[in-house]
Amino acid sequence: DAEITQSPRHKITETGRQVTLACHQTWNHNNMFWYRQDLGHGLRLIHYSYGVQDTNKGEVSDGYSVSRSNTEDLPLTLESAASSQTSVYFCASSESRGQGKAFFGQGTRLTVV
Amino acid sequence: AQKVTQAQTEISVVEKEDVTLDCVYETRDTTYYLFWYKQPPSGELVFLIRRNSFDEQNEISGRYSWNFQKSTSSFNFTITASQVVDSAVYFCALSERRDDKIIFGKGTRLHILP
Repeated sequence: DAEITQSPRHKITETGRQVTLACHQTWNHNNMFWYRQDLGHGLRLIHYSYGVQDTNKGEVSDGYSVSRSNTEDLPLTLESAASSQTSVYFCASSESRGQGKAFFGQGTRLTVV
Repeated sequence: AQKVTQAQTEISVVEKEDVTLDCVYETRDTTYYLFWYKQPPSGELVFLIRRNSFDEQNEISGRYSWNFQKSTSSFNFTITASQVVDSAVYFCALSERRDDKIIFGKGTRLHILP
């Protein structure tokens, strides 16, 4: 069965370190998204991609970057982790043109100390 | 710009009561899609429904029903005869055809009390 997986599920890192969260989907979806979930803010869009070599900034992109070298993967990098980036991160994928629902990974809980 | 507002931050009802979760959206696109997702205490996001802007028919699935009204830009979700297992955070979301971004509301935390 097709799926979308995130790794790691939990991570603790120190302020200033570079961190990469992995997202891998086997749906063959063109669209992929990264969100962060914080109490009182719901799910906020960090970055998204419509296909290979395409990346776009969402509403809370500062301090984050993504790259899309193939259809299956959209890794999220925190260039210099800050305590404000402590959050739960969700990756999602969807078919193009809003035809389908978004499929979500199980989330990565990141703690920056 | 697209926007989703879920004015109810938290709701508590006693089991077997009906409860409606409100969702109001803003969009400039004529073709768009609306979604509801459930996030139970385990944390995963569970898809419940997708609606496109051309289909204003209400939908019922078991104890769940959705009322889509373009005139008021609302897409409300009703749970009939609520159960403790319905306790979760519920998110309403919007995607515009022109750019496929999925924007979420802040969610409504629903407590069903036994």
